[in-house]
Amino acid sequence: AQSVTQLGSHVSVSEGALVLLRCNYSSSVPPYLFWYVQYPNQGLQLLLKYTTGATLVKGINGFEAEFKKSETSFHLTKPSAHMSDAAEYFCAVNSPGAGSYQLTFGKGTKLSVIP
Amino acid sequence: EAGVTQFPSHSVIEKGQTVTLRCDPISGHDNLYWYRRVMGKEIKFLLHFVKESKQDESGMPNNRFLAERTGGTYSTLKVQPAELEDSGVYFCASSRLSGTGNTEAFFGQGTRLTVV
Repeated sequence: AQSVTQLGSHVSVSEGALVLLRCNYSSSVPPYLFWYVQYPNQGLQLLLKYTTGATLVKGINGFEAEFKKSETSFHLTKPSAHMSDAAEYFCAVNSPGAGSYQLTFGKGTKLSVIP
Repeated sequence: EAGVTQFPSHSVIEKGQTVTLRCDPISGHDNLYWYRRVMGKEIKFLLHFVKESKQDESGMPNNRFLAERTGGTYSTLKVQPAELEDSGVYFCASSRLSGTGNTEAFFGQGTRLTVV
């Protein structure tokens, strides 16, 4: 079984401040981890993914995430928030090693950026 | 390249009626997924097609939901009869076929279904 927990349904940051969105997962096999973003009135867009190899993953729009196996975490960060980052962010996991290609999502975190 | 397209974008129906949602995946994508997000909750997996075959339908809530993918191209998701708890946003996603499961899934904009 696999699951995802996102801490904080709403996060507010000031423009230019650090963005930190937390994600913890559980998986019985090595997981593949993803962050998706949904801008208003749009579909889900992949920000970044971790499969194997380097544990620090860089994505689009200046975002990055670090896979920490010992902490079962995959937190998303961005050094300096921009107004255009306001959106809902979803962490997701799948476990192809267990024959499961379905994504299991967290509940999402809405990011607000304050001017 | 066109993205994943879903029709309609919004649908409001009365309890007991039938609704059919459609998804056109990206051309060449053999994997097609349906997900649903009920208000305030997480996005949940419904089912997975590989070409025209149902690979995994473990997330389908009950037999009022019927998904098809004729010819391995577009897919439809029919809800008959609709109940109030079926309200939510239905997402479709597609990806290339891979043995590793790490290919990117591209999502459509979703269909917002409201049952009144």
